[in-house]
Formats: sequence, structure tokens, C-alpha cells
Amino acid sequence: GESVGLHLPTLSVQEGDNSIINCAYSNSASDYFIWYKQESGKGPQFIIDIRSNMDKRQGQRVTVLLNKTVKHLSLQIAATQPGDSAVYFCAVPYSGAGSYQLTFGKGTKLSVIP
Amino acid sequence: DGGITQSPKYLFRKEGQNVTLSCEQNLNHDAMYWYRQDPGQGLRLIYYSQIVNDFQKGDIAEGYSVSREKKESFPLTVTSAQKNPTAFYLCASSLGTGDYEQYFGPGTRLTVT
Repeated sequence: GESVGLHLPTLSVQEGDNSIINCAYSNSASDYFIWYKQESGKGPQFIIDIRSNMDKRQGQRVTVLLNKTVKHLSLQIAATQPGDSAVYFCAVPYSGAGSYQLTFGKGTKLSVIP
Repeated sequence: DGGITQSPKYLFRKEGQNVTLSCEQNLNHDAMYWYRQDPGQGLRLIYYSQIVNDFQKGDIAEGYSVSREKKESFPLTVTSAQKNPTAFYLCASSLGTGDYEQYFGPGTRLTVT
């Protein structure tokens, strides 16, 4: 199966600064990647996704960068706000045939310092 | 409002008792999933169902059972055989064929003492 890992389990940033959360994946055939945000005690929420035919995708205050050469993706949050405090997961499709499962990383906990 | 509901939000049980967690969706999604989340951990797949009346074991199915009699509903039973049942349980759904994005419910925190 796929394995997904994050580089840092925790990240603290000052309010207003940019945040960068990193994720590595093992399957070079992975063609789709999702970032989820999970606030304390709640279910994960979709933030942004990217397909392997792209290197970069931007949303509202978020950007995902994909480096297929080193099997690495990152989530950048611009002008981080207290409401961004949460655990962020990257997910990739499970490599099993005929399945639409996702494999999730362990998550990075982002703390925003006011 | 479309979405996924899980009930109850908090559940307490004594060891040795089976307990069923509810998951309902009105998104008309074919696929549904159950995950377990432990503190500081990612999501681990318990069971998934790609279509009504069919379901498959995930990575940690031992001690759990599911049913999928209706498209909207995918209840999870935590049996007394599950050795460490205290955890946060998340249900999700997705369109199914050709779509990976999963929509999550609010979760049920189960405590077994």
C-alpha cells in the first residue's frame, strides 16, 4: 500500500506569517493529492487538491506545491490566522486496484501564536 | 442541508458490551468509509463500502462489523472482541467511481471503561 509521512508533527507560527506544511509520499504512481484540515474534536474538511499533471495550485490563502521528482508536496497558508489552528493531513489514493480509498498521513498540528 | 451526520457525539460503554455507531449521509454518495483516529495519529481505515449491500475490510477491521443495507446509512458496530475500542470514530463518504474526495462527518468519541 501507499505510505504517507509528514516532516514535522507540530508547527508554531506567528499570526500574520506564512505557514508551510510538508508531506512526503512513497508511490511514484500517485496521481492525486488532497489536503484536509481537522479542527479539534471535529471531522476533517477538504482544503485543496492537486493532480499530478500540475506543480502548483492556489486556493483562497492556500497554495499546494507538488514535486514529483522527490515525491513531496507542501501546503502553504498565507497570512496565517488563529482560525487556521488545526491538524493538517495530506492524503493520497490507495494503490490497490479498483479502490477509491485514501491513505492519510499522521498530520501536522499547526498552532498560531497571536 | 446536505452532509454526513454521526450520532451520538460522545458515547460511553462498559467493557464487554457491543456498541453501534450511526452514520447517515444525504449526499447521494455511493461509497462510505469508517476510520478510527487515536490521539496524535492519522486516520486508519476500518471498513469501507463502495455500493449498497457490499463492504470490504480495511486495515484494522478486527473487532468491528458493518452493514450497508441502504445507500444513506453505514452503521459501525464495535464488538467486545475489539481489544482497545476507546477512540474517535469518523465516517466519510465519496461519490465513488472516479472521485477520491471524501466528505467527513463530525465524529463520535467512544470511551469504553
